[in-house]
Amino acid sequence: GAVVSQHPSRVICKSGTSVKIECRSLDFQATTMFWYRQFPKQSLMLMATSNEGSKATYEQGVEKDKFLINHASLTLSTLTVTSAHPEDSSFYICSARAGEGSNQPQHFGDGTRLSIL
Amino acid sequence: ILNVEQSPQSLHVQEGDSTNFTCSFPSSNFYALHWYRWETAKSPEALFVMTLNGDEKKKGRISATLNTKEGYSYLYIKGSQPEDSATYLCAFDNDYKLSFGAGTTVTVRA
Repeated sequence: GAVVSQHPSRVICKSGTSVKIECRSLDFQATTMFWYRQFPKQSLMLMATSNEGSKATYEQGVEKDKFLINHASLTLSTLTVTSAHPEDSSFYICSARAGEGSNQPQHFGDGTRLSIL
Repeated sequence: ILNVEQSPQSLHVQEGDSTNFTCSFPSSNFYALHWYRWETAKSPEALFVMTLNGDEKKKGRISATLNTKEGYSYLYIKGSQPEDSATYLCAFDNDYKLSFGAGTTVTVRA
């Protein structure tokens, strides 16, 4: 089946550090990938849609200069949390669709737990 | 933000018993309804993508129904086993963007 790899799984760093998270589709090509964030006891919230070869589309309330997305190839999207602060501490997870059509599921990475001290 | 609600938030089931839980979603502009199973320390696993009103899908002991007119879906687990313990997420697909419910966490007791 379609596999999505996300790295790293856990990051602990000081306030002001920028953190890059990678999301790779291992056995399929993904023109579109999605980035979600989950705060404790809340649901997964879509942050942005990552489009290969073009700018990402951000959801309302998500700062594009804070959360930089690069989708330079059909198998890799990266999310960089710039100058991270404690309020950015959260669980970040990516997904990709292996095909077109409304009946296609999304395939998820394992997620990254980000803790900013 | 689309309102997707799941009920109950959690439930405990005795091994061998059957159970079900619900997902409610907006009944307008429907594209698809997704169900995922999310086990601890793993990635969410796709169970079903449902697109048609009245759809019923089955995967082993797990099945789901869909009512797009009234905006709800049921997930059923027949003869629960300990390996069914997980959080079950539903997601409303609005033109490929998913709005997730908070999930129903199922714990199966041996």
